[in-house]
Amino acid sequence: QIQLVQSGPELKKPGESVKISCKASGYTFTDYAMHWVKQVPGKGLKWMGWINTYTGKPTYADDFKGRFVFSLEASASTANLQISNLKNEDTANVFCARGGLGDYFDYWGQGVMVTVSS
Amino acid sequence: DIQMTQSPHSLSASLGETVSIECLASEGISNYLAWYQQKPGKSPQLLIYYASSLQDGVPSRFSGSGSGTQYSLKISNMQPEDEGVYYCQQGYKYPHTFGAGTKLELK
Repeated sequence: QIQLVQSGPELKKPGESVKISCKASGYTFTDYAMHWVKQVPGKGLKWMGWINTYTGKPTYADDFKGRFVFSLEASASTANLQISNLKNEDTANVFCARGGLGDYFDYWGQGVMVTVSS
Repeated sequence: DIQMTQSPHSLSASLGETVSIECLASEGISNYLAWYQQKPGKSPQLLIYYASSLQDGVPSRFSGSGSGTQYSLKISNMQPEDEGVYYCQQGYKYPHTFGAGTKLELK
């Protein structure tokens, strides 16, 4: 069955970096895009961007340009998100989600809680 | 950016009742509209895509309709497991944007 399994929760200090992984299984990894979605606890969903898993080309939403990097380990069917120079406002649950053909999200990872606190 | 305005913000329904949630896009999105359900502590789950296509495994009491800028999600025969927060999302233009969510509770 199709699964996206994300890495574990992270507790970081402001200014540090974090790398989150999303391992896909049950389908051909390079056939579908991988999207990233942020959710501040108790709030709504915000699309961060996506990566073309065939070409490796990332696309970032405006609020996520500069400190955010999407990457792939295609041989391991894994997508990664690295956030540098962490800020308190980066505290959120971060989901990876597989992109369906009409740019909807048909499978989601379980989410990674990133907490930034001094 | 395309703004997605969802209504109502919250609602409560009795067992067996039919409810509707609306989503208004700030410009036409050509049916690139999806609906998700999220339960506390869980990831969102896709219910409807392309405005009216039911995702595999989703009960047929969920249905979607609409066109242009106006879309709706209907839940017929409300069940306890339907409690949660519902989000609409447009996939027509970048950045993909979500509605603010509608919290549905069982009365």
